[in-house]
Amino acid sequence: GQQVMQIPQYQHVQEGEDFTTYCNSSTTLSNIQWYKQRPGGHPVFLIQLVKSGEVKKQKRLTFQFGEAKKNSSLHITATQTTDVGTYFCAGRSSWGKLQFGAGTQVVVTP
Amino acid sequence: ETGVTQSPTHLIKTRGQQVTLRCSSQSGHNTVSWYQQALGQGPQFIFQYYREEENGRGNFPPRFSGLQFPNYSSELNVNALELDDSALYLCASSFTGEETQYFGPGTRLLVL
Repeated sequence: GQQVMQIPQYQHVQEGEDFTTYCNSSTTLSNIQWYKQRPGGHPVFLIQLVKSGEVKKQKRLTFQFGEAKKNSSLHITATQTTDVGTYFCAGRSSWGKLQFGAGTQVVVTP
Repeated sequence: ETGVTQSPTHLIKTRGQQVTLRCSSQSGHNTVSWYQQALGQGPQFIFQYYREEENGRGNFPPRFSGLQFPNYSSELNVNALELDDSALYLCASSFTGEETQYFGPGTRLLVL
């Protein structure tokens, strides 16, 4: 069945630094979504990517969908303490089921 | 616009018992999905309800069942609780044709 994997599992970042988290699917996706979950909170939708090679930006966050629609990345520039949380990618297969990765937990050191 | 709400917020049960969790969808949304999130893991899709019928199911046994009501609110029922059922249960609503999931705050279930 479809599997969605995220790396790294944990990311310790110094405030002001950049980092990237990656998402890989075992099957081709119709679209991919990214969510952020703060400690003790619930997942909050960030963005959806649909087209092959699509790149979208939200302030300091840059999201990319791979050409083969099997992988995606989230790049955060100039990390701030407000970026703390777990970032999940969720891939939707052609049969409609949304599969979440295990997430990348981001810790920011001031 | 009212967001997704869930009740109760926390629940403690013993093995073998039954539990019912409730979810009110965001206004204007007619599709509800339920997810189980174990500690340190991503949400795992349980099932989805659309127009009061189950519309897709993940790899969960039949003791996980649900309902959707005419006002689009929903219930998740779990029978014969097991220790591994301890998790955060998330409800997410969406509008048909739109795939963004709007999550509720979740119900944290502990099975002893």
